[in-house]
Amino acid sequence: GAGVSQSPSNKVTEKGKDVELRCDPISGHTALYWYRQSLGQGLEFLIYFQGNSAPDKSGLPSDRFSAERTGGSVSTLTIQRTQQEDSAVYLCASSAQTGASSEAFFGQGTRLTVV
Amino acid sequence: AQSVTQLGSHVSVSEGALVLLRCNYSSSVPPYLFWYVQYPNQGLQLLLKYTTGATLVKGINGFEAEFKKSETSFHLTKPSAHMSDAAEYFCVHRGTGGFKTIFGAGTRLFVKA
Repeated sequence: GAGVSQSPSNKVTEKGKDVELRCDPISGHTALYWYRQSLGQGLEFLIYFQGNSAPDKSGLPSDRFSAERTGGSVSTLTIQRTQQEDSAVYLCASSAQTGASSEAFFGQGTRLTVV
Repeated sequence: AQSVTQLGSHVSVSEGALVLLRCNYSSSVPPYLFWYVQYPNQGLQLLLKYTTGATLVKGINGFEAEFKKSETSFHLTKPSAHMSDAAEYFCVHRGTGGFKTIFGAGTRLFVKA
């Protein structure tokens, strides 16, 4: 596609439910990143994929969070047993190269609200 | 540990005035540094980046930033602010040895007519 696509754009869920957030990176981009932007806080790195593998999962805040990427393309971020503190905008980005200097292109984000 | 500090969560300038958004980083490894901008209701967009070579980098929309290793700074400037520059700006650090990306807290720029 022309850009990074994330779905849904908005998600309201009840506390304790599981949610899946989807990211479609730019076609051919090998690197994919997930970030979280919480109200009043900066962007927080969650996880990085190089192809289908995740060499850096250090940012996942708890074991309720997991992510996978299949076919070197689409990625899903799953949050189990959601809590109110999980409410945030979840951003996905992709880049064409795996080098740390490469530019990342961001999606519009998924706004998650846990009630 | 790597960190990024943006001085001033809000900066207000008059149209036509100099824009200066400050960013300091701490890192034990050589950094790659980026500035991203987020316009209202839009996604993040890369303004400019420093990797190696020339320490003064120019970006889109007339912005530039200078990497100063001795000061561990990467301040963003624009000689003359425009109303359309009103947005939130993020300074970003990525270590050359890895892919963990550290964002600053962001600086919201207001431009007064």
